[in-house]
Amino acid sequence: DAKTTQPPSMDCAEGRAANLPCNHSTISGNEYVYWYRQIHSQGPQYIIHGLKNNETNEMASLIITEDRKSSTLILPHATLRDTAVYYCIVRADSNSGYALNFGKGTSLLVTP
Amino acid sequence: DSGVTQTPKHLITATGQRVTLRCSPRSGDLSVYWYQQSLDQGLQFLIQYYNGEERAKGNILERFSAQQFPDLHSELNLSSLELGDSALYFCASSAEPLLRGANVLTFGAGSRLTVL
Repeated sequence: DAKTTQPPSMDCAEGRAANLPCNHSTISGNEYVYWYRQIHSQGPQYIIHGLKNNETNEMASLIITEDRKSSTLILPHATLRDTAVYYCIVRADSNSGYALNFGKGTSLLVTP
Repeated sequence: DSGVTQTPKHLITATGQRVTLRCSPRSGDLSVYWYQQSLDQGLQFLIQYYNGEERAKGNILERFSAQQFPDLHSELNLSSLELGDSALYFCASSAEPLLRGANVLTFGAGSRLTVL
């Protein structure tokens, strides 16, 4: 699986957009980009995933660059409850197991 | 409530003891995954089962074992416990595997193990 690089921490003001970057320059053509988050000591929560196209759901938007070497998770209007560790994971579609390898992620602090 | 149920929520035991953690996956999910999260290690994948069979193995110690039963619930057995085994243990489940890109894991709330 491709390695990802994320900043260790970021701050965002409540109500503003939080843009969390992820670098995955060695990504392969069949690898998806997944984002999860973990609010303190809770189980990780799936946010969104994509392959090539930008994706949007009720939680966030995922912007993937044309060369697929990086992506950005956007929380359009961050709230205090969005304070969490955000994990960017790259994983190929596979029939031999779907385990995800979580790195250190980005610790996002949303401030009032 | 994610639909993945883990018991017990908290467990305190002594070194050398053996414990069993239980996980009931989300209804309809055939795969179960176990993860360990300690303070200094982050989330570490331990093992995955799919429909009763071991599918993938991560950094699982030989003192640890797991199984998935016919009703799809899973148990993680930790034996000869050491202080360093103190951690949060998460179970996750997913639908499998023929849906392209369906690598969405749903996690339980975790079991916090403290070894004294």
